[in-house]
Amino acid sequence: GNSVTQMEGPVTLSEEAFLTINCTYTATGYPSLFWYVQYPGEGLQLLLKATKADDKGSNKGFEATYRKETTSFHLEKGSVQVSDSAVYFCALNSGNTPLVFGKGTRLSVIA
Amino acid sequence: GAGVSQSPRYKVAKRGQDVALRCDPISGHVSLFWYQQALGQGPEFLTYFQNEAQLDKSGLPSDRFFAERPEGSVSTLKIQRTQKEDSAVYLCASSLTRADLNTEAFFGQGTRLTVV
Repeated sequence: GNSVTQMEGPVTLSEEAFLTINCTYTATGYPSLFWYVQYPGEGLQLLLKATKADDKGSNKGFEATYRKETTSFHLEKGSVQVSDSAVYFCALNSGNTPLVFGKGTRLSVIA
Repeated sequence: GAGVSQSPRYKVAKRGQDVALRCDPISGHVSLFWYQQALGQGPEFLTYFQNEAQLDKSGLPSDRFFAERPEGSVSTLKIQRTQKEDSAVYLCASSLTRADLNTEAFFGQGTRLTVV
């Protein structure tokens, strides 16, 4: 079946540091890949997505590239801000299957 | 409405009580999903509706869990005879089209259920 494995947190960074959150997946067929973010007190929001191999999703300075050869979709940001503090979830779906999520990675950015 | 709305936001139930959790999806959205999120975990799929039809209920953990969407809009997740292990945040999401078209799912803020 489909599954997502992402690096465990918490991750604590200083403002303007470089961020990488690793995500690898197992899936049947050709999945679409997503990163969702959950800010404190808010619901899950789609951050970015990629629907085929070598696609790069990007939003708010975050990027992730769909790597079929390594079954990965790592999230990166060049310079994090305090406002990026949140829980980040990697997710996938394929065909008619519902979204499958990783366990989430909590990011704390300190000034 | 502007987004997916869930109520109540918080619910405390005594073990053995029945609870009903409500989800108001974005108007016109075809697909509706329920997820269960335990503390420190990612959301786990429970069930999926396409309009009023429940097409997938493979994630419901037991026959104490029941969901409906009778008019293809508002949905209710009911848990009978609640147990402590049912304590979690229950998330509802909706999307504009059928699930296999992989359009963006919009999530509500969830209902935090605590069974004591």
